[in-house]
Amino acid sequence: AQTVTQSQPEMSVQEAETVTLSCTYDTSENNYYLFWYKQPPSRQMILVIRQEAYKQQNATENRFSVNFQKAAKSFSLKISDSQLGDTAMYFCAFMKATGANNLFFGTGTRLTVIP
Amino acid sequence: GAGVSQTPSNKVTEKGKYVELRCDPISGHTALYWYRQSLGQGPEFLIYFQGTGAADDSGLPNDRFFAVRPEGSVSTLKIQRTERGDSAVYLCASSQRRGAYNEQFFGPGTRLTVL
Repeated sequence: AQTVTQSQPEMSVQEAETVTLSCTYDTSENNYYLFWYKQPPSRQMILVIRQEAYKQQNATENRFSVNFQKAAKSFSLKISDSQLGDTAMYFCAFMKATGANNLFFGTGTRLTVIP
Repeated sequence: GAGVSQTPSNKVTEKGKYVELRCDPISGHTALYWYRQSLGQGPEFLIYFQGTGAADDSGLPNDRFFAVRPEGSVSTLKIQRTERGDSAVYLCASSQRRGAYNEQFFGPGTRLTVL
């Protein structure tokens, strides 16, 4: 079974500052993918960034980057130059490379960007 | 182009009633997923369709839940004899095909409230 743990229910950051959201996971799979999704009040989940487990290089997407530590089963999200529009729930998610490719989500971190 | 749409946006029903929730995926997407998001939780996988067939229904909580996708496009999630514990946001996602490289695009969800 796969589990995803987000230990920070709420975080806040000043506009233009940097914040890091934590995520750990547990799996016996060797090949898998990890994701960060953003869910604003509109409820629509939006993909922020994706990491393949077999890639050692950390993924980056503009202001968003991850710190993937496979041995530690850790997958944190760093948001640089935080903007008011970044205020949302952030979910870490796991996907097996085989099977249905459904997502396993953590419980989320509510991020508030303070002007 | 149009994204994933879900109707209704909100549904209030009484305990014991039958409800249908509809998902219109992005045109041409063969993979379709249903998730359930309870208050304060991340989404949980319910069922996955590849084309018209339910390829994985292992997440359906019991036999009161059923989903169809008769023509490989629109899908309907059906809940019989609703219970208060069924109250949640039901999210639908579609992707071009199965696989982690094919991003899952989410709809805005249907918020179901069982009184």
